[in-house]
Amino acid sequence: GENVEQHPSTLSVQEGDSAVIKCTYSDSASNYFPWYKQELGKGPQLIIDIRSNVGEKKDQRIAVTLNKTAKHFSLHITETQPEDSAVYFCAASINTNAGKSTFGDGTTLTVKP
Amino acid sequence: DAGVTQSPTHLIKTRGQQVTLRCSPKSGHDTVSWYQQALGQGPQFIFQYYEEEERQRGNFPDRFSGHQFPNYSSELNVNALLLGDSALYLCASSLVGALNTDTQYFGPGTRLTVL
Repeated sequence: GENVEQHPSTLSVQEGDSAVIKCTYSDSASNYFPWYKQELGKGPQLIIDIRSNVGEKKDQRIAVTLNKTAKHFSLHITETQPEDSAVYFCAASINTNAGKSTFGDGTTLTVKP
Repeated sequence: DAGVTQSPTHLIKTRGQQVTLRCSPKSGHDTVSWYQQALGQGPQFIFQYYEEEERQRGNFPDRFSGHQFPNYSSELNVNALLLGDSALYLCASSLVGALNTDTQYFGPGTRLTVL
C-alpha cells in the first residue's frame, strides 16, 4: 500500500519568514496530493491540492510543488502569520471513485510574532 | 451551505462496550469516508460508503463496521472496544461524479475515550 513520509515533524519560524514542509510517497499510481491544516479541536481543513498533471500550484501565500519522478511534493507558505500556526498534513491518493487518502504524520508549525 | 457535521463531540466508554458515531455529509455530497486519528498522528482510512455500500476498506478489523442511509448520512460502529480505540474519529464527504471526485471535506470529529 501507499506510504507517505512527512518532514519536519515540528517547524518554528518568525512571523514574515517562509515555511516549507516536504512529503514523499511510495506508490507511483498516486495522482492526487492534498494538504490540510488542522487546528486544535478541529477536523483537517483542505488548504490546497495538486494533481499529477501539474508541477506547481499557487494560492495567495500558499504554494505546492510536485516532482513525480522523485515522488515528493512540498508545501510552501510565504509571509507567515501567527494564525498560520497549526498542524499541517500532506496526503496522497489515487483519483478514482473509490479513492482513499494516505496521510503523513503531520508537521506542527509555530509562527512566532 | 452546511458543512460536514458529526455527533457526538465527545464520548467516554469502557473496554468491551460498543459505540456508534454519526456523520452528515456536506450538502450535495453522496460519499462518506471514515478515518481514525490517534494522538500525534495523521488520520488513517477506515472505510468509505457510497450508495449505501462499503466500497473500500483500510486495515481495520471487523469490529469496525458502518452504514450509510438513503439521505447519505452515515454511522460508524465499533464493537468490543479496546483501549487502543481511543482516538479522534473523522468523517469526510465527497461527491462521486464531480470533476474532482477525490476532494474531501472533513467534519470536526468525535473524540472517543476508552477507559
